[in-house]
Amino acid sequence: AQTVTQSQPEMSVQEAETVTLSCTYDTSESNYYLFWYKQPPSRQMILVIRQEAYKQQNATENRFSVNFQKAAKSFSLKISDSQLGDTAMYFCAFILYNNNDMRFGAGTRLTVKP
Amino acid sequence: EAEVAQSPRYKITEKSQAVAFWCDPISGHATLYWYRQILGQGPELLVQFQDESVVDDSQLPKDRFSAERLKGVDSTLKIQPAELGDSAMYLCASSSDRGLGSYEQYFGPGTRLTVT
Repeated sequence: AQTVTQSQPEMSVQEAETVTLSCTYDTSESNYYLFWYKQPPSRQMILVIRQEAYKQQNATENRFSVNFQKAAKSFSLKISDSQLGDTAMYFCAFILYNNNDMRFGAGTRLTVKP
Repeated sequence: EAEVAQSPRYKITEKSQAVAFWCDPISGHATLYWYRQILGQGPELLVQFQDESVVDDSQLPKDRFSAERLKGVDSTLKIQPAELGDSAMYLCASSSDRGLGSYEQYFGPGTRLTVT
């Protein structure tokens, strides 16, 4: 069974600084997708960034980038120039190609301090 | 911008009562998901629909939970009877892919259920 582990329940960062959230996963499959979702307080979950396992190049979306290490089964999220609006729960998620069941980690609560 | 709608946003019910949640996905999205998110944990899939058909309900406690998407558009999740352990956030999501998992899932705001 696929599992996703986020080892940092809570993190904080000063505004304008950089922070990295960790995620590891366990699978014996080779074709899958990885996601980082953001859940702001009392608001819906939104996709931050997506990585296809077959792509070696790390995905980037503006201030958000990932460090995808397939052999190590690691998928960390780096947020540059942190903003107050980045305060949220961040969930790492995994889904096998051609599968229905998206697995989420337990989440990391990120607080950006002014 | 199109969004997934859910109602009610909050629901308090007594144990052994029946409760129902409604979800309206983004127009044109064939795939609809119901998740349960216990406080402090990530969402867990309860059921997935492709159009009006159930694709996966292996994690749905079928003795008390039921879900339907009769016309392949909006969906209802029901719990009868509710138990204290059902207190959680119930999230609905939709996507335009057809089970390949490659596309973004769009989440609704959720229904927070408290069973007393």
